[in-house]
Amino acid sequence: ETGVTQTPRHLVMGMTNKKSLKCEQHLGHNAMYWYKQSAKKPLELMFVYNFKEQTENNSVPSRFSPECPNSSHLFLHLHTLQPEDSALYLCASSPEWVLASGTDTQYFGPGTRLTVL
Amino acid sequence: TQLLEQSPQFLSIQEGENLTVYCNSSSVFSSLQWYRQEPGEGPVLLVTVVTGGEVKKLKRLTFQFGDARKDSSLHITAAQPGDTGLYLCAGAGSYNTDKLIFGTGTRLQVFP
Repeated sequence: ETGVTQTPRHLVMGMTNKKSLKCEQHLGHNAMYWYKQSAKKPLELMFVYNFKEQTENNSVPSRFSPECPNSSHLFLHLHTLQPEDSALYLCASSPEWVLASGTDTQYFGPGTRLTVL
Repeated sequence: TQLLEQSPQFLSIQEGENLTVYCNSSSVFSSLQWYRQEPGEGPVLLVTVVTGGEVKKLKRLTFQFGDARKDSSLHITAAQPGDTGLYLCAGAGSYNTDKLIFGTGTRLQVFP
């Protein structure tokens, strides 16, 4: 496979469930990102990992827990979510941390559509 | 709070028409990117502009970065149904934040 893949593509969970989103990039990139895309808000950056180290946590509630075991894989662990957390969660990667140059290309996965009941 | 306002928010046009989407901010950015997102997919980068006043063309799409690097526009000539999607601008390197800031989005529908 090429590019950035995300699983599952759709997820429905209750507020007491624990689930994980997975992202994998096959591009040899060093930086990976989690974004949240809600219907009525701009795309929001959640977390940034550069060379497996977290470099950005954009004031995300602790019910979202990221994990980056290596440069190719990124997880988002979910627990005790709220209905307002329902959104499209997008993973992206770039050769380096995009903010270093401002011109790096971010490659996005197709997203996981999350519904919290 | 940083904000990139896009207008219009929604646009429905017939095939063959021209259109312009605007991306405006009160902040200065060192670079600005435009993405297109199709249903069920993630955003795909179309172009990056870095110089005030810069104009870039990508087939029927023309992108312009404002002289003051606070705004940008995307013009599509002779729109086609394949242009349908969500268009997002994103600014990088603003003076008081190092985050990539995404715009509010413009949803374009082109009918045959």
